[in-house]
Amino acid sequence: KAGVTQTPRYLIKTRGQQVTLSCSPISGHRSVSWYQQTPGQGLQFLFEYFSETQRNKGNFPGRFSGRQFSNSRSEMNVSTLELGDSALYLCASSLGGTGETEAFFGQGTRLTVV
Amino acid sequence: GEDVEQSLFLSVREGDSSVINCTYTDSSSTYLYWYKQEPGAGLQLLTYIFSNMDMKQDQRLTVLLNKKDKHLSLRIADTQTGDSAIYFCAERGLTGGGNKLTFGTGTQLKVEL
Repeated sequence: KAGVTQTPRYLIKTRGQQVTLSCSPISGHRSVSWYQQTPGQGLQFLFEYFSETQRNKGNFPGRFSGRQFSNSRSEMNVSTLELGDSALYLCASSLGGTGETEAFFGQGTRLTVV
Repeated sequence: GEDVEQSLFLSVREGDSSVINCTYTDSSSTYLYWYKQEPGAGLQLLTYIFSNMDMKQDQRLTVLLNKKDKHLSLRIADTQTGDSAIYFCAERGLTGGGNKLTFGTGTQLKVEL
């Protein structure tokens, strides 16, 4: 069974540009959550999508957005990039039910803003 | 709001037991998790415990939960060099529903020969 796939693994972007990251969850999983990991702030929750709807949102500015497709694949977009957006972006996949316990993470996308 | 605290570093000798501690503040936490992160990698789910349990054992891993003190620990028996990594505890509360996890700062475990 394939795991969570994030693409691309590495990205270098310039300040002011925008970027789109992709996450393909484990087959059959309907929930995808996104996290930002930085040395200073640690792991912070961005948002969660379930059945194409945003179910939960963290405390990030509106420049961070996401969506989920009917096949459960999810994308997150960051517009007007800032140097502080440099981070490892992780997505987590789970079945999504209320009794669900396990979330599985991808390898992450390392974004560097220069 | 939710807050999860961990000590930053732990160093042990190979073959000894490691105990990584975590405290959390959200009394509505339903599940508590331990994840492992190796350099350049994502997060690997090690184990989890439901909030109405006190203990869970899974091979070399033992999780202890003191719900009254909001304290969680992970014990790794017979620690090996391959266990060197950063360990994160995380809690999932009822606030906001869904699958939002709040992570601790991570504990860097160094296993020495």
